[in-house]
Amino acid sequence: EAQVTQNPRYLITVTGKKLTVTCSQNMNHEYMSWYRQDPGLGLRQIYYSMNVEVTDKGDVPEGYKVSRKEKRNFPLILESPSPNQTSLYFCASSLGQADLNTEAFFGQGTRLTVV
Amino acid sequence: AQRVTQPEKLLSVFKGAPVELKCNYSYSGSPELFWYVQYSRQRLQLLLRHISRESIKGFTADLNKGETSFHLKKPFAQEEDSAMYYCAPSYNNNDMRFGAGTRLTVKP
Repeated sequence: EAQVTQNPRYLITVTGKKLTVTCSQNMNHEYMSWYRQDPGLGLRQIYYSMNVEVTDKGDVPEGYKVSRKEKRNFPLILESPSPNQTSLYFCASSLGQADLNTEAFFGQGTRLTVV
Repeated sequence: AQRVTQPEKLLSVFKGAPVELKCNYSYSGSPELFWYVQYSRQRLQLLLRHISRESIKGFTADLNKGETSFHLKKPFAQEEDSAMYYCAPSYNNNDMRFGAGTRLTVKP
């Protein structure tokens, strides 16, 4: 089944303790991205990746890192989490070829609480 | 700056009433336009895309390039339409930005 898988689904952590949220897709998509969803603010893009070893900042990259060492995986890293990073996070992927009207597929979300 | 505006954060209608969720975009070039929906406790999923010109679950959306709008419409809302709706223009490199979303509640 074609899908985007995030882990963990729920995470409670303490301020300053490094964490990684994994994202994996099995559709051979080139484009992957991370969003955070907050009430009243909608979905805001954190980072995106056009292809392996190509990543770029989205609208709210501060406090986050990503890597794209292989096509299928795009982990989100919080080196020193803070309470303002408490949010619902979504990973998404799409085919990524220019000039194609391609749909984005989303993971099931990771609810992160930083205390 | 590229911008997507969904002016209504909350929209409430009665079952059977028409509904329109507004979306205005500000982009250079000609983006592809999508509407995504998120039902309670589910992941976001594609509702429709303008290039397909299709009706999904009774919803349609018309692209108005002059007004840079892509409003989502349904003539008769159903309770199961209650969800969060996001308008999403996409660059031709598939970089996708989302509006703030509109939470639609359809009351019985």
